Amino acid sequence: AQTVTQSQPEMSVQEAETVTLSCTYDTSESNYYLFWYKQPPSRQMILVIRQEAYKQQNATENRFSVNFQKAAKSFSLKISDSQLGDTAMYFCAFMKSARNRDDKIIFGKGTRLHILP
Amino acid sequence: SAVISQKPSRDICQRGTSLTIQCQVDSQVTMMFWYRQQPGQSLTLIATANQGSEATYESGFVIDKFPISRPNLTFSTLTVSNMSPEDSSIYLCSVAPGSSYEQYFGPGTRLTVT
Repeated sequence: AQTVTQSQPEMSVQEAETVTLSCTYDTSESNYYLFWYKQPPSRQMILVIRQEAYKQQNATENRFSVNFQKAAKSFSLKISDSQLGDTAMYFCAFMKSARNRDDKIIFGKGTRLHILP
Repeated sequence: SAVISQKPSRDICQRGTSLTIQCQVDSQVTMMFWYRQQPGQSLTLIATANQGSEATYESGFVIDKFPISRPNLTFSTLTVSNMSPEDSSIYLCSVAPGSSYEQYFGPGTRLTVT
């Protein structure tokens, strides 16, 4: 069974700093997808970034980028120039296949990120 | 992406009663998902709802407690039956629209059972 581990329950950084959130996963699959979701205090889950396992290039979305290490089964999220609006719970998530699209997403326990003014 | 709405946004219910949560999507989607998120916790999948077929429930969740309807490609309901305080959670629906493999989430329904 697939598992997703986020080892940092809570983090705080100063505004404008760069912060990295860690995520590791365990799977025997070779093709899969990884996601980072953000859940602000308003609770709407928002997809931040996604990575296809077959792509070697790390995904980037504006200030958000990932460091995907397939061999190490690591998928960290880097937030550059952090902003107060980045304060949220961040969930790392895994989905094993897109061919059978009712394959469920496995979520980690989350990292609560506080951006301090 | 998809725009998803849920009703109600929150409710306070008495134990033993039932609540039906609605999920509406702005486009047709084959698959809809229902999750539970207890305070400060991660998401747990309750069931997957495909239009025209019975919902598929995850381990620990049963149809009698969480009946789901999926009458068309843009709408689904989740009922929380015979509620107890342990059912107090946020309930979220999500969809996997079109050819995308990621899921998009509704704003959630915060349920408190007294």
